[in-house]
Amino acid sequence: AQSVTQLDSHVSVSEGTPVLLRCNYSSSYSPSLFWYVQHPNKGLQLLLKYTSAATLVKGINGFEAEFKKSETSFHLTKPSAHMSDAAEYFCVVSGGNNAGNMLTFGGGTRLMVKP
Amino acid sequence: AAGVIQSPRHLIKEKRETATLKCYPIPRHDTVYWYQQGPGQDPQFLISFYEKMQSDKGSIPDRFSAQQFSDYHSELNMSSLELGDSALYFCASSLWASSWASGDNEQFFGPGTRLTVL
Repeated sequence: AQSVTQLDSHVSVSEGTPVLLRCNYSSSYSPSLFWYVQHPNKGLQLLLKYTSAATLVKGINGFEAEFKKSETSFHLTKPSAHMSDAAEYFCVVSGGNNAGNMLTFGGGTRLMVKP
Repeated sequence: AAGVIQSPRHLIKEKRETATLKCYPIPRHDTVYWYQQGPGQDPQFLISFYEKMQSDKGSIPDRFSAQQFSDYHSELNMSSLELGDSALYFCASSLWASSWASGDNEQFFGPGTRLTVL
């Protein structure tokens, strides 16, 4: 079985300050991990993915995430928030070949960016 | 680049009616996934198909059925609609061989179909 826990349902930052969105996962197999972003009334856009290569993953729009197996974490960070970053962010796990290919989503974190 | 296409984008139905949602995967993708996202909820996996065969099944109600056709497009059929079926329905596609070879399970999502049941 696999699961994802996003530790904060809401995060509020000021424009220009760092962003940290926390994610812990549980998987019986070597997981693939993803971060998706969803703007209001929009679809899901992939920010970045981890697939057992480099543990520090760089994504689009200045986001990056670090896979830490010992902590079962995959936190998303960005050095400086922009107003356009305000959206819902989902941490997602896939069990890989032996656990089915379906994606399991975390509960989501709503990022608010204050001017 | 071509993306996943879903139709219709918006659909309004009455209770107890039926609805059919369509998904056209990225060209050459052979695997299709359906997800349901209720208001304020995270997406939940419903069902997936590979080469026209069901590959995984999630929390799909018995009132729903789905299939994948020879051109790889998929349809989600929903009967006896209930108010609680109002949601955003996403389709995603991937190439099965890539997933198996690299363990990269990236799925490409369509824009979704917003179903409202009145």
